[in-house]
Amino acid sequence: GAVVSQHPSWVICKSGTSVKIECRSLDFQATTMFWYRQFPKQSLMLMATSNEGSKATYEQGVEKDKFLINHASLTLSTLTVTSAHPEDSSFYICSARHGGGGGTLYEQYFGPGTRLTVT
Amino acid sequence: AQTVTQSQPEMSVQEAETVTLSCTYDTSENNYYLFWYKQPPSRQMILVIRQEAYKQQNATENRFSVNFQKAAKSFSLKISDSQLGDTAMYFCAFNNAGNMLTFGGGTRLMVKP
Repeated sequence: GAVVSQHPSWVICKSGTSVKIECRSLDFQATTMFWYRQFPKQSLMLMATSNEGSKATYEQGVEKDKFLINHASLTLSTLTVTSAHPEDSSFYICSARHGGGGGTLYEQYFGPGTRLTVT
Repeated sequence: AQTVTQSQPEMSVQEAETVTLSCTYDTSENNYYLFWYKQPPSRQMILVIRQEAYKQQNATENRFSVNFQKAAKSFSLKISDSQLGDTAMYFCAFNNAGNMLTFGGGTRLMVKP
């Protein structure tokens, strides 16, 4: 249980175009999903937190107009990188938090990540 | 704000031996959760072990165990009988019983045959 998928697993796009990444919780309802960015050999940096049906909360320094997040259902959140540039090239990881209670309430389940390359 | 520090950027261990990865954190909270995640070359984040701060007993999961020292704000991971498949990045993470996880900088572990 507690499987999170991401699509696509990798994408190459041209500078100036937009790219959408999907994050799905496959076997549980995720009231909260998180989007992280990871540069090579570095740790995960939280970009934003999204709660189903409400606007995402962005971390300081993350451009909300550039990284559009939508969490329209309890199993799907999307990250759209708008007008992508080479510096947006990175590994993007989503995670989902179970909507239930108990010991797993604060545990996040991670997707396999999406490698974005902007040329 | 919480901070998590992993002071060992890289470590290596011989197969079948034991290795300990260090993690310290800073918080003013009393109720929180600590995690160790493994990120192998596939880059999939895998939960290794979890510790609730209110529990005095150290968590164990098969070959993985932690040494949780709440007063010292220390949370080290011990891997016993190291296996080649343990080669990965290991991240210590803190959750203050709220929403977000705060990650340490990571320790790259290499298990040598």
